[in-house]
Amino acid sequence: AQRVTQPEKLLSVFKGAPVELKCNYSYSGSPELFWYVQYSRQRLQLLLRHISRESIKGFTADLNKGETSFHLKKPFAQEEDSAMYYCALFIQGAQKLVFGQGTRLTINP
Amino acid sequence: ETGVTQTPRHLVMGMTNKKSLKCEQHLGHNAMYWYKQSAKKPLELMFVYNFKEQTENNSVPSRFSPECPNSSHLFLHLHTLQPEDSALYLCASSPGLAGAHEQFFGPGTRLTVL
Repeated sequence: AQRVTQPEKLLSVFKGAPVELKCNYSYSGSPELFWYVQYSRQRLQLLLRHISRESIKGFTADLNKGETSFHLKKPFAQEEDSAMYYCALFIQGAQKLVFGQGTRLTINP
Repeated sequence: ETGVTQTPRHLVMGMTNKKSLKCEQHLGHNAMYWYKQSAKKPLELMFVYNFKEQTENNSVPSRFSPECPNSSHLFLHLHTLQPEDSALYLCASSPGLAGAHEQFFGPGTRLTVL
């Protein structure tokens, strides 16, 4: 089955603390994964993709095929990071993204 | 306007009304999508169009009827909706080419069914 699981519906950390948003996937093919973010009253937007191996706004995510994970990390959280975060898996053939349920991240001052 | 645009941004309709949501992308993409986002189920894929052809209907009730006249425009025709259809409806597009699979989203239409 093709599935993306984000086990935490809500995550709350203090400003300056490290953040890790978990994402696990189930896919028989070669995975292509993304993280999307939705800030309050803004549209859903791409944060980063695993093939780029980039750091955006201090966030990084490493694909771990052995653990079938693509966790999103940031060493020092900032208040402006508060948002809804979605992990997504591209499905070849169907040409679509499968999204996880999302994690609402709240950064406390 | 650049990117993906959606109109109207807000829509209130009765259960007997017929209305349409419009999406337009200015990115030269070949794939377009409709999603439903609600509090109970955050992001649900409804329809997928690739090169104007519908390639996925994710068990969506027939009261939702998509139309894709060309690669830049996507419509969602609504009729005899139910209150539980109230949600944010998002449109997205993607290049539809090998190696370019990220999707770009519109701002959404906030739909309220009375």
